[in-house]
Amino acid sequence: NAGVTQTPKFRVLKTGQSMTLLCAQDMNHEYMYWYRQDPGMGLRLIHYSVGEGTTAKGEVPDGYNVSRLKKQNFLLGLESAAPSQTSVYFCASTSWEVGQGSETQYFGPGTRLLVL
Amino acid sequence: AQSVTQLDSHVSVSEGTPVLLRCNYSSSYSPSLFWYVQHPNKGLQLLLKYTSAATLVKGINGFEAEFKKSETSFHLTKPSAHMSDAAEYFCVVSFVNDYKLSFGAGTTVTVRA
Repeated sequence: NAGVTQTPKFRVLKTGQSMTLLCAQDMNHEYMYWYRQDPGMGLRLIHYSVGEGTTAKGEVPDGYNVSRLKKQNFLLGLESAAPSQTSVYFCASTSWEVGQGSETQYFGPGTRLLVL
Repeated sequence: AQSVTQLDSHVSVSEGTPVLLRCNYSSSYSPSLFWYVQHPNKGLQLLLKYTSAATLVKGINGFEAEFKKSETSFHLTKPSAHMSDAAEYFCVVSFVNDYKLSFGAGTTVTVRA
């Protein structure tokens, strides 16, 4: 049981390049999330998914796209990278129960992205 | 709108002394509250969570937190700090049927020998 995994761990991009970050979970969770972490700002939600084939915008979605073609995978894409997207990206998943809200989110180890 | 405020961006303590990390939330509804810890260059790990059961919540590694509705607070404490407690701590809030978490800005804990 690997939990939540992310690839790659680190990447350097030039402005304008594109890339896709992959998140995979083996816990059969319905809900998956992409966050970015910047100094002094905590984690901010980029996009999330409440099930296979669904996606929704979070707090800071501009410049990112996502896809959830399989329940276990959640992809985050940058079509044209900008220096402002230099950050650490975390994926998370949870088995959210309707009517609850107290379920634990499990986080991946993070991807460090540097955009030059 | 829901929000969470961590009152200290940095806390420095001596090893063996108590640790207090302060967190306040704003909401019209009953929240679920969490504390997560992040060690350098690592992911986030759940320390503890409050889910409307006991107001005093015990977590891992000797941490505990008390939910005070009248003060809209969820402060994290540990009686005796250890060097391994040096990390960043996040107070997090979620609400029924919202599916999302809101994070505080984080508190960096430094432990002096």
